[in-house]
Amino acid sequence: SAVISQKPSRDICQRGTSLTIQCQVDSQVTMMFWYRQQPGQSLTLIATANQGSEATYESGFVIDKFPISRPNLTFSTLTVSNMSPEDSSIYLCSVVLSMTDRAFFGQGTRLTVV
Amino acid sequence: KQEVTQIPAALSVPEGENLVLNCSFTDSAIYNLQWFRQDPGKGLTSLLLIQSSQREQTSGRLNASLDKSSGRSTLYIAASQPGDSATYLCAGTTSGTYKYIFGTGTRLKVLA
Repeated sequence: SAVISQKPSRDICQRGTSLTIQCQVDSQVTMMFWYRQQPGQSLTLIATANQGSEATYESGFVIDKFPISRPNLTFSTLTVSNMSPEDSSIYLCSVVLSMTDRAFFGQGTRLTVV
Repeated sequence: KQEVTQIPAALSVPEGENLVLNCSFTDSAIYNLQWFRQDPGKGLTSLLLIQSSQREQTSGRLNASLDKSSGRSTLYIAASQPGDSATYLCAGTTSGTYKYIFGTGTRLKVLA
C-alpha cells in the first residue's frame, strides 16, 4: 500500500492569491495524479504529475492556472493560481502502484476562496 | 469521452438489508475498476479492485463484479450496518493508462 500526506488539510484564501498544496508519499511511485472535487460533485482529474518533465493536463485544465511540480518520485506540489470563489473545492493527490494497479488517495485539501 | 454514471444517486435503508449499487461506463473498454468509499470531509478508501483479467472481487461483506461487454459494475453490500454510511464511488481506467475516471457517486445511509 501507499501512505499519502497532503498539506495543508484546509485553507481559506483571498481571491487573487495562490495556494500551493504539497503531496508526500511514503514510497517511490511513478504514477501520481491530482484531482479536484467540487462541492457535491465527484472527482475530476486535473493532471498527471510526471517526474522530471512537465505535467500532463486534462481537457479544461491549464498549466498557468494549476502549475505542478514533481521533483522526485515521492513528492509533488499543485498550485492553484489567481484564485476565485469557483476554485473552492477539495484537491486530492493520488498514486497508482504499478505492481497492483491500485489507486491510493491523500486526505485532500479543502480550499475555500473568499 | 468516458462518462460514468452511478445509480442510485442516494439510498437510505434500514440496518441489515442487502444492497446493490450500480455503475455504468459509456465506453465499455474498462481495464481496471475500483470501488471506493468516501466519508464526509475525508479522502477516499479503496474497497475493491477488479484488475483487467478479473471479473469479480470479494472482501468481507462486499462483492464487486464487472461485465466488460456492457461496461457495467455492481457493488453488493451484504447485511448493511450504520458504519457503511458513506458515499460510494466507482472508477475505471482504460487500457494503456492508469488514470482513473470517477463515477457520480452513491450516497448511502444505513439507519440503525
